[in-house]
Amino acid sequence: EPEVTQTPSHQVTQMGQEVILRCVPISNHLYFYWYRQILGQKVEFLVSFYNNEISEKSEIFDDQFSVERPDGSNFTLKIRSTKLEDSAMYFCASSERLAGAYEQFFGPGTRLTVL
Amino acid sequence: GENVEQHPSTLSVQEGDSAVIKCTYSDSASNYFPWYKQELGKRPQLIIDIRSNVGEKKDQRIAVTLNKTAKHFSLHITETQPEDSAVYFCAASRTGNMLTFGGGTRLMVKP
Repeated sequence: EPEVTQTPSHQVTQMGQEVILRCVPISNHLYFYWYRQILGQKVEFLVSFYNNEISEKSEIFDDQFSVERPDGSNFTLKIRSTKLEDSAMYFCASSERLAGAYEQFFGPGTRLTVL
Repeated sequence: GENVEQHPSTLSVQEGDSAVIKCTYSDSASNYFPWYKQELGKRPQLIIDIRSNVGEKKDQRIAVTLNKTAKHFSLHITETQPEDSAVYFCAASRTGNMLTFGGGTRLMVKP
């Protein structure tokens, strides 16, 4: 069964550094998403992406965040200048998004630790 | 924006008993309500979902009910098994893009 994959599984960085989290969505999916989960808290929506542009974003997704689909398979989340409070598990998800088909398939996550 | 509350935060049941997890949502325009199961260290996986045009959906031991008037929906697991032990998240969505999650319920099924 096809799965969403994410790399790396764990990223450690210094405060102020840039990080890029990578995701490979399921190949025939058209919608891509990023969520984050701070330890012990809710899963929170960051952004959705369709047809090479952002379709929806939350208040969390401010100017330090950006997303890109650099080629036909990868989907990336960049955090320009990391802060301590960016430490979280980041999940990528994708969906086929046919009419009425909303199921989002999640990747295994990247644990980001900002020191 | 949407706000989803989930109860209880932890639930312990004996194997074979039923488990019920409840969620309320605030946005009356929400029309899609998925439930995800997350085992320790693994990705969230969809176990069942319901759309606003139906009031109940069942898949083997799992069922979800939706009350649009009261803005709440519930997950029912019957004949629980130890492998049902996990964290369960409800979510709500108006657009199918942005999922707003509840805080999660840690279900423990004791053999």
